[in-house]
Amino acid sequence: EEQLVESGGGWVQPGGSLRLSCVVSGFTLSEYWIHWVRQAPGKGPEWVSRINNDGSSIAYADSVKGRFTTSRDNAKSILYLQMNSLRGEDTAVYYCTRDRNNYMDVWGKGTSVTVSS
Amino acid sequence: QSALTQPVSVSGSLGQSITIPCSGTSSAPGTYTFVSWYQHHPGKAPKVIFYEDSKRPSGVSDRFAASKSGNTASLTISGLQAEDEADYYCCSWAGSNTWVFGGGTRLTVL
Repeated sequence: EEQLVESGGGWVQPGGSLRLSCVVSGFTLSEYWIHWVRQAPGKGPEWVSRINNDGSSIAYADSVKGRFTTSRDNAKSILYLQMNSLRGEDTAVYYCTRDRNNYMDVWGKGTSVTVSS
Repeated sequence: QSALTQPVSVSGSLGQSITIPCSGTSSAPGTYTFVSWYQHHPGKAPKVIFYEDSKRPSGVSDRFAASKSGNTASLTISGLQAEDEADYYCCSWAGSNTWVFGGGTRLTVL
């Protein structure tokens, strides 16, 4: 079964940092681009970032550019989302999802991040 | 590109049909951007139910249909069943290597 499992969420104070992980199984990570998508409480999903197969091309939403960094280790079948300078508006459930060119076909269940003092 | 626009909620009785619109899906001149739809039961992983405007992945009930006309995409669910109660999101590529989602529609099956 093709799966993505996020972890690393939790509570952090404004200005703090967290690193989320996304472990994949059931498919070869190096063959796919991966997105990070988040959903704040009571809101629709927001696309956060996209990383290509080998990590040489990464895109970010304007809302996180300069604060978040996406990376991947294909050999370990894992991706990371390093989140720095966190703000209250970053509070959300964060999902990793597999790219299929025009859509996202496999999603994890998400990991919750709360930024609050 | 701004978020795509969906109604916050829709409801329908068991066996009835409902349609969820998603507006704002227009493409820049000379380009075409596809719309995908996702079903999300809270606490579970979102599930793609349509891609490239109207293509249904295997395993998705044919009670679900999707289309796109101009700058509005639509998701129709016929023969509503209790398990269809969920959140539904549309999504499209927004250009410049970015993606945009709709605000989501909560479907209540009465």
